[in-house]
Amino acid sequence: QQQVKQSPQSLIVQKGGISIINCAYENTAFDYFPWYQQFPGKGPALLIAIRPDVSEKKEGRFTISFNKSAKQFSLHIMDSQPGDSATYFCAASWRTSGSRLTFGEGTQLTVNP
Amino acid sequence: DTGVSQDPRHKITKRGQNVTFRCDPISEHNRLYWYRQTLGQGPEFLTYFQNEAQLEKSRLLSDRFSAERPKGSFSTLEIQRTEQGDSAMYLCASSFSQGALVNEQFFGPGTRLTVL
Repeated sequence: QQQVKQSPQSLIVQKGGISIINCAYENTAFDYFPWYQQFPGKGPALLIAIRPDVSEKKEGRFTISFNKSAKQFSLHIMDSQPGDSATYFCAASWRTSGSRLTFGEGTQLTVNP
Repeated sequence: DTGVSQDPRHKITKRGQNVTFRCDPISEHNRLYWYRQTLGQGPEFLTYFQNEAQLEKSRLLSDRFSAERPKGSFSTLEIQRTEQGDSAMYLCASSFSQGALVNEQFFGPGTRLTVL
């Protein structure tokens, strides 16, 4: 059962533009929603994370928007840069499951100069 | 100690052989996770440890797979009688957990397994 669905599968943005990646989840027990960035040949690295008691969290150029009633959350990358070109994964977990992460399918972001 | 390390980074083996991977977590982290990632997909949970106790195993972890974390420090993941379908990136992550407080998982660089 796919518990976290991510879209789009790939995204091309011009330098300076806004990149938006969306995720939807099914399990209402999830209580932690991180976004990871992965470069080829590397392990995923945490970008930003949110808990369901807030609707938005911003760190630098990265913002998570969270809609608990719709069971959706999204990542916004402002002023996208070529160095942001990577694969982005949303994930979700809940504490009573040992906080194991359930990942989305990933979005390959390309930022053109 | 600057992060999670994994060894080897790459492993090529023939079908039917056994392989073992090692993960060294961040030193103060009491939780250690193993994930598997195939090309173009997100990582999938395999198993996790709290200190030396293995608390959960995914149904993805067939009886050919075994993981250990002796003394609650490094961990090993062994695959017996490898199959071509085992080809993937095997990722290790660690975190610190205290009661209800669970912090972020830090991932290692992974071990890329190719089964010929």
